[in-house]
Amino acid sequence: QSVLTQPPSVSGAPGQRVTISCTGSSSNIGAGYDVHWYQQLPGTAPKLLIYGNSNRPSGVPDRFSGSKSGTSASLAITGLQAEDEADYYCQSYDSSLSGSGWVFGGGTKLTVL
Amino acid sequence: QVQLQESGPGLVKPSETLSLTCTVSGGSISSYYWSWIRQPAGKGLEWIGRIYTSGSTNYNPSLKSRVTMSVDTSKNQFSLKLSSVTAADTAVYYCARDRSFGGPTTEYFQHWGQGTLVTVSS
Repeated sequence: QSVLTQPPSVSGAPGQRVTISCTGSSSNIGAGYDVHWYQQLPGTAPKLLIYGNSNRPSGVPDRFSGSKSGTSASLAITGLQAEDEADYYCQSYDSSLSGSGWVFGGGTKLTVL
Repeated sequence: QVQLQESGPGLVKPSETLSLTCTVSGGSISSYYWSWIRQPAGKGLEWIGRIYTSGSTNYNPSLKSRVTMSVDTSKNQFSLKLSSVTAADTAVYYCARDRSFGGPTTEYFQHWGQGTLVTVSS
């Protein structure tokens, strides 16, 4: 079971807007730690999509945006395209009694209908 | 553009030690943190640990007793050793370059290798 919780799957038609949630707790997102997002196309390595809650690396379309509030974060994708079909992962830092380190959500599979 | 490439045996026997190396090209290994991350087939990502070019390390608490990382700046390489492996350690192993703008709580994985599949089986 992942420290950060994501829905297993989301779907949308081309051109639509979808959001993917990432829910944490007071030991990670709720503590104010940054959330980052990765896109993993089938058979490839994850690729950085959003860093520092809402920043896009060079080359990432502005159709992708991130936000954070309280113990949760969200990734929004507007103008959905077939090439967006992939797995998406959130990531943050976690500090608890059992130790500290970097943690991921379980991943969300986006299907473009 | 920095590139990372994992290498090592694709098959390891149960109870033995898994050993992987990540070679960095297109930039210096110095002054960055470097991580290992793994992904079992059909499952999510798990951070294993990270190493700084000084040799300072941080490990996932759940794997700490079995993990050792090292760095060789002369070869622009860093390595992972995972001891006493079982079938549960079968996964694609990625190496990655960390990046942050304000310490560990802002840290993310900026560049990734293509990954290498390691199967634990007799």
